[in-house]
Amino acid sequence: SQTIHQWPATLVQPVGSPLSLECTVEGTSNPNLYWYRQAAGRGLQLLFYSVGIGQISSEVPQNLSASRPQDRQFILSSKKLLLSDSGFYLCAWSFTGNEQFFGPGTRLTVL
Amino acid sequence: AQTVTQSQPEMSVQEAETVTLSCTYDTSESDYYLFWYKQPPSRQMILVIRQEAYKQQNATENRFSVNFQKAAKSFSLKISDSQLGDAAMYFCAYRSLYYGGSQGNLIFGKGTKLSVKP
Repeated sequence: SQTIHQWPATLVQPVGSPLSLECTVEGTSNPNLYWYRQAAGRGLQLLFYSVGIGQISSEVPQNLSASRPQDRQFILSSKKLLLSDSGFYLCAWSFTGNEQFFGPGTRLTVL
Repeated sequence: AQTVTQSQPEMSVQEAETVTLSCTYDTSESDYYLFWYKQPPSRQMILVIRQEAYKQQNATENRFSVNFQKAAKSFSLKISDSQLGDAAMYFCAYRSLYYGGSQGNLIFGKGTKLSVKP
């Protein structure tokens, strides 16, 4: 069966510091991968999606970036965090574009 | 562009009773998928149920069922015999059937917070 992992689970970072969140999927090959952000009390905002290694599409221009160095690895990064980057970050995968399955999420607090 | 609207920010139900969460969407496409996701306090998103627009039969999963009205572009979720563990945020989501580029991405509503009273 497929599983999706995210780490870290929680993170507290100062403004201006770098960020690296990692997502990995097990039990499937060539999944579509997604990064979402959920601000407090709000819905999900799609940040990036990837249909293959090295293929990244951005939905929202901002100071975040994503990379997919391996088939089942998806990384969300920032060179300098802003206060507005605080939120709950969810990684998801799908196969053949059907329903998406989500990881446990990372709670990011930028101080 | 497609949009998904959940008009009930919060709902409450008594344990063992039935509750219906509303969702409407706007699209010019004739074929698509609709989903309900549950987000409990742990905040992990869990797929509850899915519906293919080309199927007339409403999807059911144990105590969860949908009322899919394609002409009205309505997709409500009914939870029967509500349990304390059903307390969560519920999100309605839309996905185009035609996969390519961003068309395969999910479009989410803003969610409905469901409380279950003992």
